[in-house]
Amino acid sequence: AQSVTQPDIHITVSEGASLELRCNYSYGATPYLFWYVQSPGQGLQLLLKYFSGDTLVQGIKGFEAEFKRSQSSFNLRKPSVHWSDAAEYFCAVALSGGYNKLIFGAGTRLAVHP
Amino acid sequence: DAGVTQSPTHLIKTRGQQVTLRCSPKSGHDTVSWYQQALGQGPQFIFQYYEEEERQRGNFPDRFSGHQFPNYSSELNVNALLLGDSALYLCASSLPGQGVGYTFGSGTRLTVV
Repeated sequence: AQSVTQPDIHITVSEGASLELRCNYSYGATPYLFWYVQSPGQGLQLLLKYFSGDTLVQGIKGFEAEFKRSQSSFNLRKPSVHWSDAAEYFCAVALSGGYNKLIFGAGTRLAVHP
Repeated sequence: DAGVTQSPTHLIKTRGQQVTLRCSPKSGHDTVSWYQQALGQGPQFIFQYYEEEERQRGNFPDRFSGHQFPNYSSELNVNALLLGDSALYLCASSLPGQGVGYTFGSGTRLTVV
């Protein structure tokens, strides 16, 4: 069965520090890959997505992610974190075809220290 | 341009009761998907509606049912509520063939007591 693993439940970084959130997936083929962010009490906002092509994907709010097929990973990075980045981050995958239901990881909660 | 609108934002129900949640998709979108997000977990796919038909379903019991109207809006119904149904219910809309281009609503927080 398809699955998404986010190994870090909670991460704390200092404002201005770099950030990397990990995501690994289990899938028979290369899926579509996504990162979403959720602020408390809010819905999900798409940060970036990977369908094909260049394995380094740029997103909104200064985020980027790199797809590594050999490691079945799609890690999210940001060079300098802002206090407003504190939120919950979800990695998700979808079949590259079909009706594209999203399968989410359990999420990583990011706290930012001033 | 309005995004995805869900109503109500919060509600409290008693075990055994029935509940209906509503979703209006983003303008121009005709496909609606529903997700359940329990506290501390990632969203889980419930089902997807297109052309007023349920075309894909996740691993949820028949107590969860839905409907899509000709104007593409959708309802999620849950019968015989259990305490474990307490969650944030998210609606996402998209265009067909671009099912991955989801726009999510802010969700309905359901508490079952």
